[in-house]
Amino acid sequence: NAGVTQTPKFQVLKTGQSMTLQCAQDMNHNSMYWYRQDPGMGLRLIYYSASEGTTDKGEVPNGYNVSRLNKREFSLRLESAAPSQTSVYFCASSEAGSTLGWPQHFGDGTRLSIL
Amino acid sequence: DQQVKQNSPSLSVQEGRISILNCDYTNSMFDYFLWYKKYPAEGPTFLISISSIKDKNEDGRFTVFLNKSAKHLSLHIVPSQPGDSAVYFCAASERNTPLVFGKGTRLSVIA
Repeated sequence: NAGVTQTPKFQVLKTGQSMTLQCAQDMNHNSMYWYRQDPGMGLRLIYYSASEGTTDKGEVPNGYNVSRLNKREFSLRLESAAPSQTSVYFCASSEAGSTLGWPQHFGDGTRLSIL
Repeated sequence: DQQVKQNSPSLSVQEGRISILNCDYTNSMFDYFLWYKKYPAEGPTFLISISSIKDKNEDGRFTVFLNKSAKHLSLHIVPSQPGDSAVYFCAASERNTPLVFGKGTRLSVIA
């Protein structure tokens, strides 16, 4: 049982390049999330998908787009990477019915460096 | 403005003693609180939660206390073990909104 799988685990980009971070969960969860973690900043929500077919902005959505491809997969796209987007990105999922606060299960992260 | 605050960036505790991690929040509409634990190079893992209708929840060595009037919650780990050394995140949510995380507290348990 893999849980939440993120690919790639590491990536180095040049400023202006584009990239898609992939996330898949095998727990049949309804809700999925993308966070970024920066030193001293904790986890900040970029986008989330409460259920298949819906997406919403979180706290720091600028510079990102997302796609809920199906119930299992939720991708995060950087159209034109900037050094400020250097971070560790975490994908998470939760059962969530009407309450999005249900415990979230996290992947192991994608470490992204933008030069 | 930070809605969930963990004011201690780090904490050191001797093995076998109690670890107390604190968290304050500003949003009185929060009704669900969680603690996550994170090891280096891994994703956060869910540890324990409490809803606003309770003031205590216990799971083995871990107990979470909620003081709604003070908008404060704490995580107690008794006894602390070296394997508990990690970063601990407090998180909160109100109905139908995503979790809001604090910045984390790094716990070091010294053998």
